[in-house]
Amino acid sequence: AQKITQTQPGMFVQEKEAVTLDCTYDTSDPSYGLFWYKQPSSGEMIFLIYQGSYDQQNATEGRYSLNFQKARKSANLVISASQLGDSAMYFCAMREKGTGTASKLTFGTGTRLQVTL
Amino acid sequence: DTGVSQDPRHKITKRGQNVTFRCDPISEHNRLYWYRQTLGQGPEFLTYFQNEAQLEKSRLLSDRFSAERPKGSFSTLEIQRTEQGDSAMYLCASSPDYSYNEQFFGPGTRLTVL
Repeated sequence: AQKITQTQPGMFVQEKEAVTLDCTYDTSDPSYGLFWYKQPSSGEMIFLIYQGSYDQQNATEGRYSLNFQKARKSANLVISASQLGDSAMYFCAMREKGTGTASKLTFGTGTRLQVTL
Repeated sequence: DTGVSQDPRHKITKRGQNVTFRCDPISEHNRLYWYRQTLGQGPEFLTYFQNEAQLEKSRLLSDRFSAERPKGSFSTLEIQRTEQGDSAMYLCASSPDYSYNEQFFGPGTRLTVL
């Protein structure tokens, strides 16, 4: 089974509008972390936001917020007031503490976001 | 600039040749990770170092791949007898010892095997 599922290969949003990128995950580890990274065409992975499995409140970082629904195992990224510079690939990732000290990340297949005028 | 750096940024090689990539993590980051990203996919974990010790290797890391981190600073990833299937972006990331959270990624090395 896929550990991280991103069902939207591509999304379009108009500038200044909000957009939600979907992510569902699968784990039996009670302690885990969820991440969103942005990858522009240059290739570098840019960290956006983190949500721990025990965090009571949804994470927010500026225009980014994470809609964490633990029972549904979803961790959707919401980008408010989209900007042209937000056009990029977006990856959801998970770290499971049960994997030991490595804390390796498992990534989804990504969603390509295109912001239009 | 104090971010993660990787060298080279691009490498084109012929099948059967050996290639070596270098990663310089953020200073004082004890943890270093290598990932591989093929076209249309998310990055996949390859291996992990805690200081100079290689603590975990993915099954993706065949015996043609070897990674080192001498003295716990920079790391090298070598691929011997390259195959066309090795064509990918090779990403390096680092994180502080105290943090289980964010990993800081470098710009990657794009390998093309002809």
